Amino acid sequence: EAQVTQNPRYLITVTGKKLTVTCSQNMNHEYMSWYRQDPGLGLRQIYYSMNVEVTDKGDVPEGYKVSRKEKRNFPLILESPSPNQTSLYFCASSYPSGGAGNEQFFGPGTRLTVL
Amino acid sequence: RKEVEQDPGPFNVPEGATVAFNCTYSNSASQSFFWYRQDCRKEPKLLMSVYSSGNEDGRFTAQLNRASQYISLLIRDSKLSDSATYLCVVTPPGYSSASKIIFGSGTRLSIRP
Repeated sequence: EAQVTQNPRYLITVTGKKLTVTCSQNMNHEYMSWYRQDPGLGLRQIYYSMNVEVTDKGDVPEGYKVSRKEKRNFPLILESPSPNQTSLYFCASSYPSGGAGNEQFFGPGTRLTVL
Repeated sequence: RKEVEQDPGPFNVPEGATVAFNCTYSNSASQSFFWYRQDCRKEPKLLMSVYSSGNEDGRFTAQLNRASQYISLLIRDSKLSDSATYLCVVTPPGYSSASKIIFGSGTRLSIRP
């Protein structure tokens, strides 16, 4: 089954304790992204990657790191989490079809609480 | 001003009704447009792309008005299963929609029996 998987699905942690949220896709997509979703603000892009070893900042990259060492994986790293990073996080993947619209396929989400 | 603005709702309509949402975007050079659907606590999923000439998919019709910088979604003969949050999505100029898309904060729709 074609899918994007994220782990963990739920995480409660404390301020300053480094954590990694993993994301993997089995569709051989070149593009991958991370978003956070907060009430009233919608989904905002954190980082995206156009291929292995190619990443770029989205709209809210502060406090986050990413890496793309393999095409299928795109982990999100919080080196020193803070309470304002409490949010619902989504990973997504896509491919540039060359047409007007490229669908992004989302993972099931990771609900993170930083105390 | 937000790049993509939507009425948050909620819209509460009876089953079988027709309901319409609008969404406005601020950058006139935006390139591609979409409606995504998000069920409660689930991931967003593409509902339909929006083309300049307008497009229809079953009970759903999407329209783009570039002059006024808005897109619309019309749902006819609404079903209970249409209850969800509808997200307006725009690709900013210079980007592929595979890499960067901007989401509105969503319009909540609730269909009552």
